[in-house]
Parts: sequence; structure tokens; C-alpha cells
Amino acid sequence: LAKTTQPISMDSYEGQEVNITCSHNNIATNDYITWYQQFPSQGPRFIIQGYKTKVTNEVASLFIPADRKSSTLSLPRVSLSDTAVYYCLVGALNTNAGKSTFGDGTTLTVKP
Amino acid sequence: NAGVTQTPKFQVLKTGQSMTLQCAQDMNHEYMSWYRQDPGMGLRLIHYSVGAGITDQGEVPNGYNVSRSTTEDFPLRLLSAAPSQTSVYFCASSPAGGGHEQFFGPGTRLTVL
Repeated sequence: LAKTTQPISMDSYEGQEVNITCSHNNIATNDYITWYQQFPSQGPRFIIQGYKTKVTNEVASLFIPADRKSSTLSLPRVSLSDTAVYYCLVGALNTNAGKSTFGDGTTLTVKP
Repeated sequence: NAGVTQTPKFQVLKTGQSMTLQCAQDMNHEYMSWYRQDPGMGLRLIHYSVGAGITDQGEVPNGYNVSRSTTEDFPLRLLSAAPSQTSVYFCASSPAGGGHEQFFGPGTRLTVL
């Protein structure tokens, strides 16, 4: 499984757009990029997953450049409730499902 | 659907005691996993299973056993508890062929004295 590197922490203010970047220089051809969100005292929750270019859902967008060596999770107009730890994971679907490797994540703090 | 359930929510053990953490899912998922999360850290994979009767080790398997006799249940056994096993334990499940999305339980907070 490819190793990922994320900033340890980020601060933002309510209403701002937040971009969290993840580096994964050793990503393999079959690997997908997945982001999870974790609130204190809860298990992680899936946010978004993608392979290349851009993926958008009702919660976030995921931008992946052509070389796929990094990815950016974009959270539009954050609120206080978006304060959480965000994890970037890289791995092949199916063969690695169920054995994800979580790094230490990025702690996002949203201030009023 | 209840999703992924874990019992107990909290547990205190003495060094050397054994116990089983229970995990069950009602989504008919083939894949199930156990993680531990130490304070301020990410999750580390202990054991995982890709189907009933099939289990394998993750990053930190020492001191833990698992079995998967049914699709629904995936218990984690601590053989002889040690203070280093004080942690929060999360169970997760995911569907085969469903990508990397895992569904996590609420966790069990374990303290070993």
C-alpha cells in the first residue's frame, strides 16, 4: 500500500473553502484515493473516493492531477461541525478492501 | 439496518486477563477488519477477513486472535492483556467489490491496568 503524507493540522474559519493536500508519490496504477473523516470518539466515515481528475459529491470534491502523485480534498464553505481529523488512503480496490492503511491524518479546526 | 455494532463500549482489564471484543454487521459485507487507535494517532490494522473462514494478519497482530465463522460476526480476542493494549478498538466492514469504502462501528475503549 502506498505511503501518504498529509499536513498534521490546519485551521480555517466558518464559510471558507478548505483544501487538504495529500502526497502519495508511490501510487500504483491500480490504486484509488480515498478520504475519511473522523470525529472524536467515533469511527471514521467515508467522504469521497477517486482515481483521476475530479470527483464531486454532496460533501466534498477530490482533485487528482494527471501524475496522481498527490490529491486535494476540497471542503466548500466549512462550518464548525467540519472540525475533525481527515485521512487520505491509497490502495487498490477489492484486493485491499478491508485492510486500509491510515496515516496520522490532518486535524482540521474550524473557528467561528 | 444497525450497521456495524460493537460490544462492549468500555472495558477495564487487569494485566494478564483475556477477553473478547464483539463485532457484528447486518449489511452482508464480506470484508471485516479490526483496527486499534492510540491517542492522537491514526488507525492501525490488527486483523482482517475477506470472508467466512478466512482471516489474515494486519500491521499489529501480536497479542490478538480472530476467527470468522459467519459472515456477520468477527470477534477479536485478547489472549493475555497488557497495558500496551490500552486503546480504542474499531471494527469495520465493507462489501466485496465495493471499493475502498469501509463502514466503522462506534468503537470499544479498552483500558488495561
